[in-house]
Amino acid sequence: KAGVTQTPRYLIKTRGQQVTLSCSPISGHRSVSWYQQTPGQGLQFLFEYFSETQRNKGNFPGRFSGRQFSNSRSEMNVSTLELGDSALYLCASSLAWGSQGKDSPLHFGNGTRLTVT
Amino acid sequence: GQNIDQPTEMTATEGAIVQINCTYQTSGFNGLFWYQQHAGEAPTFLSYNVLDGLEEKGRFSSFLSRSKGYSYLLLKELQMKDSASYLCAPKTWDTDKLIFGTGTRLQVFP
Repeated sequence: KAGVTQTPRYLIKTRGQQVTLSCSPISGHRSVSWYQQTPGQGLQFLFEYFSETQRNKGNFPGRFSGRQFSNSRSEMNVSTLELGDSALYLCASSLAWGSQGKDSPLHFGNGTRLTVT
Repeated sequence: GQNIDQPTEMTATEGAIVQINCTYQTSGFNGLFWYQQHAGEAPTFLSYNVLDGLEEKGRFSSFLSRSKGYSYLLLKELQMKDSASYLCAPKTWDTDKLIFGTGTRLQVFP
């Protein structure tokens, strides 16, 4: 069974630009969560989608948005990029909404490393 | 709000036992996950506790005390490949989302 696939793996953008990251969950998983990982802050929750609906949102500005398609694939968009947005963006999928216990943990992709210059 | 506290770094010797502690303060606690993340790789699921007590899975065990807001991950018979970051992640009823600590970076030496 293929794992969570994120594209692209690496991305370099300049301040003010916008970027779209893509995530394909494990087949059969309907929940997709997005996290930002930086050395100082660790894994910060961005949002979670289930059945094309945003179920949960973290404390990030409105420049960060996402969506989920009917095939459960998800995209994350960051507009008006800032230097502080440089980070590893991780996508994770699970069977059920909210990562329901050991039978439905989060399965992470390898991430997209975004560098903003 | 939520607060998660883990040691930043730990070192240990191959073959030894190490305990990684995690204390948390959350409203509406609903289980706690441990994840392992090797440098440059995705985090992978290790264990889940929702009731008090010890859950054992091979060389790894995880303990939870809900009343104390405390969990630990115990790694036995350490191997070099156990060098990684270990992330503690409690879950709450109200938001139903995983909040991760900053992780403990474990280095295993020969």
